Amino acid sequence: DAKTTQPPSMDCAEGRAANLPCNHSTISGNEYVYWYRQIHSQGPQYIIHGLKNNETNEMASLIITEDRKSSTLILPHATLRDTAVYYCIVSGFTDSWGKLQFGAGTQVVVTP
Amino acid sequence: GAVVSQHPSWVICKSGTSVKIECRSLDFQATTMFWYRQFPKQSLMLMATSNEGSKATYEQGVEKDKFLINHASLTLSTLTVTSAHPEDSSFYICSARDQTSGRYLQYFGPGTRLTVT
Repeated sequence: DAKTTQPPSMDCAEGRAANLPCNHSTISGNEYVYWYRQIHSQGPQYIIHGLKNNETNEMASLIITEDRKSSTLILPHATLRDTAVYYCIVSGFTDSWGKLQFGAGTQVVVTP
Repeated sequence: GAVVSQHPSWVICKSGTSVKIECRSLDFQATTMFWYRQFPKQSLMLMATSNEGSKATYEQGVEKDKFLINHASLTLSTLTVTSAHPEDSSFYICSARDQTSGRYLQYFGPGTRLTVT
C-alpha cells in the first residue's frame, strides 16, 4: 500500500529552482519524510529528511506542511547532474527497523 | 556522507550456480543493513532486513532459501543468490543504517548488476 504520491515526471530548466511535491496524507505522528534520488544505474543517494520542521542542507530544502500531509523538495538551482528519479518516502520506527519502501518516484529531467 | 560499497559491481554467472554479493559500510558501523532488488524501469523492492548476529527478516514473497543473507560483522553483510536462474537477473542494491549520528539514516551502495545466462 502506497504511503506517498508523487507526479511521475517533471521537467526543469537548468539554473532554475525545481519544486518536487509529495503527498503523504496517512503519515503517522512519529514517521519522518525522507527524500532520496537515484541517478541511472546507481544506488540511491540520500538528500534530506524531516519530521515536521522545514529543513535545509547543502543539497536541498524540505518544506513540510503544518498538517504534515504533504511536502515539497526544493532544489534551488538545478543542474544537468540533478537529472534523476526522486523518491519521497515516509518511515518511522513503527515499521520494523525503519524500513524504506520505495514508490515509483518522480523522474526529473533538467534541460539546458 | 557515509560510504557503502558493494562487490562485485557486476557479475555474469551460469544458470544453476550461486553468486555472493558483499555489502560493506566503510566509515561507520551498521547493526542493520537492507537488501533491495530493482528490475529495469522499476523501483527498488525491499527484499530483506539484515541484523548483525541474527537471522535476516525477509519480505513477503522473497524466498529465504534462495537468497541467503549473512550479517557476520558490523560492517559486512552478504547476499548469496543460490541456484541462480535467468529470472534472478537484476540490479541488487544494499543499504546500511548509520546509527552513530543518532539520525538513523540509510546509505546505499552503488549496486551489483547480476546477469544469469
